[in-house]
Amino acid sequence: GAVVSQHPSRVICKSGTSVKIECRSLDFQATTMFWYRQFPKQSLMLMATSNEGSKATYEQGVEKDKFLINHASLTLSTLTVTSAHPEDSSFYICSAREWDRGSTGELFFGEGSRLTVL
Amino acid sequence: SQQGEEDPQALSIQEGENATMNCSYKTSINNLQWYRQNSGRGLVHLILIRSNEREKHSGRLRVTLDTSKKSSSLLITASRAADTASYFCATDATGGGNKLTFGTGTQLKVEL
Repeated sequence: GAVVSQHPSRVICKSGTSVKIECRSLDFQATTMFWYRQFPKQSLMLMATSNEGSKATYEQGVEKDKFLINHASLTLSTLTVTSAHPEDSSFYICSAREWDRGSTGELFFGEGSRLTVL
Repeated sequence: SQQGEEDPQALSIQEGENATMNCSYKTSINNLQWYRQNSGRGLVHLILIRSNEREKHSGRLRVTLDTSKKSSSLLITASRAADTASYFCATDATGGGNKLTFGTGTQLKVEL
């Protein structure tokens, strides 16, 4: 299957700083990527849909200015958590579909990034 | 968007037994997918079943779909300790813009 790489896997930062998380599709082009947030022992909540070359589409309740998404190329999307606070501590996961190879619609996920804000 | 509900929330079985997890959802769908997540890791796609399919098999996995009841089940036969993980159903809703909505998940523990 397709490979999605996410970096960093863990990050600890001080309150008020910004953190950037990268999501790369390694062996396919992804015009669309999805960013999820997951709290311990809970399900994934879709934050936004990242579209290559255009603005991201955010889900209701997700602050656009807080969670900046950039999808500058067909293989890279980034999520920047700006002015992070302890309540932003969570597990962030990106995913992408591999449409070009006739994918039936399954998502390929990165390994996730655990953010801890002190 | 509303999440699907899965039951049970947690399931503990002995190695060799079968594990059944259920998923209910609320909207009409294009397809329903099942994913597995090991603790602290990303999700891995297991199987996809389309809205016009009723049953699908993949190795030790068997998935059923009942669109009239808006429910699906995942059966893992002859479970192994390595099957210990969280399992999520995800729906691709009709007109949902190809977004997946994940269920609440079932934490499966397979003991030796």
